[in-house]
Amino acid sequence: NAGVMQNPRHLVRRRGQEARLRCSPMKGHSHVYWYRQLPEEGLKFMVYLQKENIIDESGMPKERFSAEFPKEGPSILRIQQVVRGDSAAYFCASSPASNEQFFGPGTRLTVL
Amino acid sequence: GENVEQHPSTLSVQEGDSAVIKCTYSDSASNYFPWYKQELGKRPQLIIDIRSNVGEKKDQRIAVTLNKTAKHFSLHITETQPEDSAVYFCAAYSSASKIIFGSGTRLSIRP
Repeated sequence: NAGVMQNPRHLVRRRGQEARLRCSPMKGHSHVYWYRQLPEEGLKFMVYLQKENIIDESGMPKERFSAEFPKEGPSILRIQQVVRGDSAAYFCASSPASNEQFFGPGTRLTVL
Repeated sequence: GENVEQHPSTLSVQEGDSAVIKCTYSDSASNYFPWYKQELGKRPQLIIDIRSNVGEKKDQRIAVTLNKTAKHFSLHITETQPEDSAVYFCAAYSSASKIIFGSGTRLSIRP
């Protein structure tokens, strides 16, 4: 059973470009969470999704950020018109139910 | 909103000694409390968890205690080893269907 997979592992974008981060949950997991981690800081909750539904997006900025978890395929975190402050590690986690979470390896986004 | 406070932010202990990290939570409906270990550049990994119907849980050198009345829980690592050096995060599963993380404790083991 493969673990949570994220790609790309590293992503470099120039200011104003779009960043797309993908997360494939563990097999059998229908709950996906996205977190953001700045260097030397903790994990900040962004959004919680189930298949085709956004359950809680209270941690996600209202502008430029969006997330989806379609019926088929990975969950996508999309950041439009990236700025330098978006540089961070973005982790997704999956869960078979709304508790025990397993983390992916993260995507490290660098905005030049 | 829900909040989880974690202390201390940094902790240095002599190899072989014990380390204790404490967390308090605000949502009295929280019923699941995991602890994660994150090594530099790696993903957070679940090391132990406890549910609200249990007061203590132990797994080899790691133990977690929960005081629901006081709304705090603690991680205890005994006989610390160099490989225990990492950042540790506590978390509380809130009634709002998400896990709230503490701010992390950077644990260093001195040889």
